[in-house]
Formats: sequence, C-alpha cells, structure tokens
Amino acid sequence: QQKVQQSPESLSVPEGGMASLNCTSSDRNFQYFWWYRQHSGEGPKALMSIFSDGDKKEGRFTAHLNKASLHVSLHIRDSQPSDSALYFCAASENYQGGRALIFGTGTTVSVSP
Amino acid sequence: ETAVFQTPNYHVTQVGNEVSFNCKQTLGHDTMYWYKQDSKKLLKIMFSYNNKQLIVNETVPRRFSPQSSDKAHLNLRIKSVEPEDSAVYLCASSQTVYAEQFFGPGTRLTVL
Repeated sequence: QQKVQQSPESLSVPEGGMASLNCTSSDRNFQYFWWYRQHSGEGPKALMSIFSDGDKKEGRFTAHLNKASLHVSLHIRDSQPSDSALYFCAASENYQGGRALIFGTGTTVSVSP
Repeated sequence: ETAVFQTPNYHVTQVGNEVSFNCKQTLGHDTMYWYKQDSKKLLKIMFSYNNKQLIVNETVPRRFSPQSSDKAHLNLRIKSVEPEDSAVYLCASSQTVYAEQFFGPGTRLTVL
C-alpha cells in the first residue's frame, strides 16, 4: 500500500488551461511535501516544497496544503506543452533521524497545443 | 558543471550476471540515494548514504549493494541479476536528508 497516493493517474489539458493534481498522505508522520516533475528520459526535478498550511505560489505553479487532511494539491496555470510530464508528490517526516522522501504514485500530464 | 552524473545510460545483460552502475555528484552534497523506477513509473528508494553511513536501507534483495568511496560517489552493484531487476535506476543527492533532491538521468537496465 503506497503511503502517498496521487490522483488523477493521468490528465489532459489544453494549452493555456489549468491543470490540477492531488496528493494525499496516509501516514500522519509524513506531512511535509514536495512536488517533482519528470520529463521523458530524464530524472525528476523539484518544482517546489510546501511545509505550512495554505497556498504557496511559484510562477505559474501554486501548491495548497491542508495538514489536517494531509492533502496537497498542485495547480498549473496557463499550461504549456513543455509542462507535459510525470508529476510526483513526495512526503517526508522532517525530524532528526527520520527517513528520506517517500514518492507518490505519479500523475501524467499531457498538454495539447 | 555541477550536477549528478550516471553511467552507463543503458545496460543489457543476461540473468545471473553481475552489473555495476556508477553515480557521481559535483554539488558538494552530503547525502546520496539510489532509486528504482519500475515499468509503472513508481519511484522506490533503495539506499541512501550520508557521510559514508547507510541511513536508509529499504527491504531490497541482498543481491543489491551500494558502494561508496567518498561522499561524491555512490555506486550500485547487483550480484546476480534477475528479470524483475529490469528497470531504470536513478541516483540522487541532497544537502541534507530532507532538502531538495537532485537526480541524475538514470541507467536503464534490461535483463534478458
């Protein structure tokens, strides 16, 4: 059973549209989140982190965290074809001596011109 | 150039052979990792090293072993490969255990 679940599994968005991705942790110890993006043939690359309740915006990307429900979302505004990739949510315990990141199941985003 | 480098890009081998993958990071990070990405694209951590100490060792088969000569290098050896070892192996590094991880491009292993 994956501790970090993502939905949807795949998503198609028109160019210029909004993509919304969801992630939930099933372990209350894992409540510090990252979003990573992986283009085909490459390793994942971090987009942003979010550790506090509320919204965090970086350019066209906005993450929202609700610690009470252990739910984090990622919204991509004005989607571009270059945003087509596999998106991972990752969670950590973030205390001394804890374990490293646990990656979610992934969401494949396809942006059509 | 500062980054995470992996060799080889691809490797095809037969069941029972031994393989070794190399990883080097020039970011000056203290922690390095090996992940396995399967055909469903799931990312699962295999090992992590911090200051030459193994700090995470998920339940991977004993035929897998990490090898580190210094904090900039973390190689992965597979003693006797099996068909289920076919996957992409990704190396990563980070300044601390909870900091942003920087990934290499991966090594794709195919076991015939």
